[in-house]
Amino acid sequence: DAGITQSPRHKVTETGTPVTLRCHQTENHRYMYWYRQDPGHGLRLIHYSYGVKDTDKGEVSDGYSVSRSKTEDFLLTLESATSSQTSVYFCAIGLSQSTDTQYFGPGTRLTVL
Amino acid sequence: QQQVKQSPQSLIVQKGGIPIINCAYENTAFDYFPWYQQFPGKGPALLIAIRPDVSEKKEGRFTISFNKSAKQFSLHIMDSQPGDSATYFCAASNSGGYQKVTFGTGTKLQVIP
Repeated sequence: DAGITQSPRHKVTETGTPVTLRCHQTENHRYMYWYRQDPGHGLRLIHYSYGVKDTDKGEVSDGYSVSRSKTEDFLLTLESATSSQTSVYFCAIGLSQSTDTQYFGPGTRLTVL
Repeated sequence: QQQVKQSPQSLIVQKGGIPIINCAYENTAFDYFPWYQQFPGKGPALLIAIRPDVSEKKEGRFTISFNKSAKQFSLHIMDSQPGDSATYFCAASNSGGYQKVTFGTGTKLQVIP
């Protein structure tokens, strides 16, 4: 898993509550990404980061925010969770500008009741 | 906006068969085309990738065929095995775009003994 951990691995929460997912990498890579995976949609990019405090929106960013205060941590926050945000969330890292390969973490299964 | 279209959604083949998964893209700025393999409960992992300067790439039993003029590429799995049963995602990216990767919707492959 290229030194990527995600926490928690599973979470059940209620509509309207805030939720924060954490992605941690041990290799000091510059690029980090958050995706959600849903049946029939594949992997869709939520937000990405190209350095500490440098983040930008992906294709499905509504309802999500991110922060990256340290190279190794990339946090995804659902400010007020909705049932439509029930999904499996994957963090990924990009190793360098010379390759476009991304390495994925093990995922977090989030259920919003 | 689905920029990478993948088919079929699911595929069942017998052991030894040659499953073929097809993808088509729209953005001519894409210059890197990876395939990812995902087992249940795991994150996607890079399987094989190609750049548009070649028409075919082989790694073991996996082959990518690339048709730049048609903007299509496909994955062939030779002598498929039950252990190849997984979900396969094609993807595309532009090297100049913070390594952002656009994924297809995935193909669930089952190889029956």
